[in-house]
Parts: sequence; C-alpha cells; structure tokens
Amino acid sequence: DTEVTQTPKHLVMGMTNKKSLKCEQHMGHRAMYWYKQKAKKPPELMFVYSYEKLSINESVPSRFSPECPNSSLLNLHLHALQPEDSALYLCASSQVLASTEAFFGQGTRLTVV
Amino acid sequence: GQSLEQPSEVTAVEGAIVQINCTYQTSGFYGLSWYQQHDGGAPTFLSYNALDGLEETGRFSSFLSRSDSYGYLLLQELQMKDSASYFCAVNRDDKIIFGKGTRLHILP
Repeated sequence: DTEVTQTPKHLVMGMTNKKSLKCEQHMGHRAMYWYKQKAKKPPELMFVYSYEKLSINESVPSRFSPECPNSSLLNLHLHALQPEDSALYLCASSQVLASTEAFFGQGTRLTVV
Repeated sequence: GQSLEQPSEVTAVEGAIVQINCTYQTSGFYGLSWYQQHDGGAPTFLSYNALDGLEETGRFSSFLSRSDSYGYLLLQELQMKDSASYFCAVNRDDKIIFGKGTRLHILP
C-alpha cells in the first residue's frame, strides 16, 4: 500500500463553520505533513508531525490546528476560516523527516464562502 | 534561508526532448528532488540527486552540479501526458521546500 488517503475530496464551508480534514497512510512512515496549495503556486508547508513532535510554519494562522491521533493519521481542524483560505490542502508522508521523497494524497479542495 | 529558481513555463513538441532547469541557494544542502503535478492532481515524486551527476529513470533523467548550485530534469520522447507542472525541491531543516514550478506545455 503506497497510498496517502485524504477525506473529503471536496469541502465547502461557511466562515463560522468548524470542519476537519483527515489523512491516513499505512506505509509505516514516521513523518506526515500538511501543505496548502493555491492555483498555479507551489505547495506551501503548514505543519510537520514526526514522532509526536509538531513543527509549525509560523505564518500559518491559528484557525488551522493539526492533530495526530496516531502515527498513521493526521487531521487538520478548521475553524472560522476566511475566503482567502480556499485552496487545495495536501497531506503527505515520508519515511523519516530527512527524506526527500514524499508521498502525497489527492488533496481536499476547500472552498470557504 | 533557501531559494529555488525555475522557469515559469516551457513549451516543447511531442516526441522531442526538453530540459527544465533549477538553480538553488540554500544552506545545508542535502540533495535536489523533482516532482510532477498534473492539473487537479497531487504532486508525484520523480527523482532525487544527492551527488553530482545524472540519474536516469526511464524517459526521465535528473542532473545535479553542487558546485554550480544547479540541477535539471530532462524529459525524453515527450508524450502529451507529460503536460504538467514540474517542481524542484530541497529538504531544509527536515522540511521539503518546493520551487515555484515550471508549467510544461506540449504541442502535437
């Protein structure tokens, strides 16, 4: 199994809603990531989780909060988002933090209205 | 810090060869990776160069010159399905950082 599975594939939410994005991998990878990607732009790193340690991109607003229930799962909780947060949210995993090969999920297309 | 520069767009003809360049400025360099991303899809890992030289994987090859802080991705026998965005990437402080990407257009 070389897949990273993300749900849902599409999400439309209002600015007062609370929602969660889910990500799962069964490759035994020890590092998992959340990226945000706007159209015609590269993926931008939001969070890194490895061995129960969270690393945050300091530019990410607090309305995004990651949660790692176990080494195979990584969630992204969304609250009070803004329309500019509409983007493709990509989850990825790699064997270890220092790995340069990451496996990406198909992403969640998020629209904030 | 780190900086990865790539051309924003490249156009080539089906069946031809195309080279996508990447120059980087980064401290603590551990190697250069390449990813492909089709419209609406996820980035897919293509190759990785830790040492100078050429790595070949089928129709795709990647080259690195650490002394020149330069690498490239070479695509041979281009097919229409190769139309996509291509990103070079580095691992810096245990974070995979992407260049801005090169959009490859292929003409029939």
